[in-house]
Amino acid sequence: GESVGLHLPTLSVQEGDNSIINCAYSNSASDYFIWYKQESGKGPQFIIDIRSNMDKRQGQRVTVLLNKTVKHLSLQIAATQPGDSAVYFCAEVLNTGNQFYFGTGTSLTVIP
Amino acid sequence: ETGVTQSPTHLIKTRGQQVTLRCSSQSGHNTVSWYQQALGQGPQFIFQYYREEENGRGNFPPRFSGLQFPNYSSELNVNALELDDSALYLCASRLQGRYGYTFGSGTRLTVV
Repeated sequence: GESVGLHLPTLSVQEGDNSIINCAYSNSASDYFIWYKQESGKGPQFIIDIRSNMDKRQGQRVTVLLNKTVKHLSLQIAATQPGDSAVYFCAEVLNTGNQFYFGTGTSLTVIP
Repeated sequence: ETGVTQSPTHLIKTRGQQVTLRCSSQSGHNTVSWYQQALGQGPQFIFQYYREEENGRGNFPPRFSGLQFPNYSSELNVNALELDDSALYLCASRLQGRYGYTFGSGTRLTVV
């Protein structure tokens, strides 16, 4: 499969601080990227996505940045809250949506 | 409530047996995909179905097969189970042309 990896397997942040989760991907032909959040015992939950022709997209408290030059993706969470504690995955979409690859994940812990 | 329901939630099978996992997709979602998630890893793409035909496949052997039905339900079948098949199996559905999958909570399969 394709290689989608994360730089840091764990991240701890203080409540109220901003969090940055990074992801490297290997296929320059990827069409689309998605960040998912997975809480214990649940399936992944969609957070935000970005097309390959964009370099930034903002949602509610979250921003995704895409740097195609270095094949790097990041998720920024503003004012991190305890409810943000989960494992975060980036996913790479290829072949017009017919192939879908997740990274290993980063475990985010928010310290109250 | 994600709109994607998987059954059973947990299952124990013996090596060499066959297993069928079931998924009821969100109404109107004509594309379904299945993933294998080992403990501490990201979901691995198994395959995708659109209008009852497989249109994308990850790096899994042919003993992993699927079916999609007109009523938005689908199945994952695994033959000749191996110990390494023990994992959480996730089903996800979406509208064709949209990339935001909705995931179920998964079936935890243990092969002994």
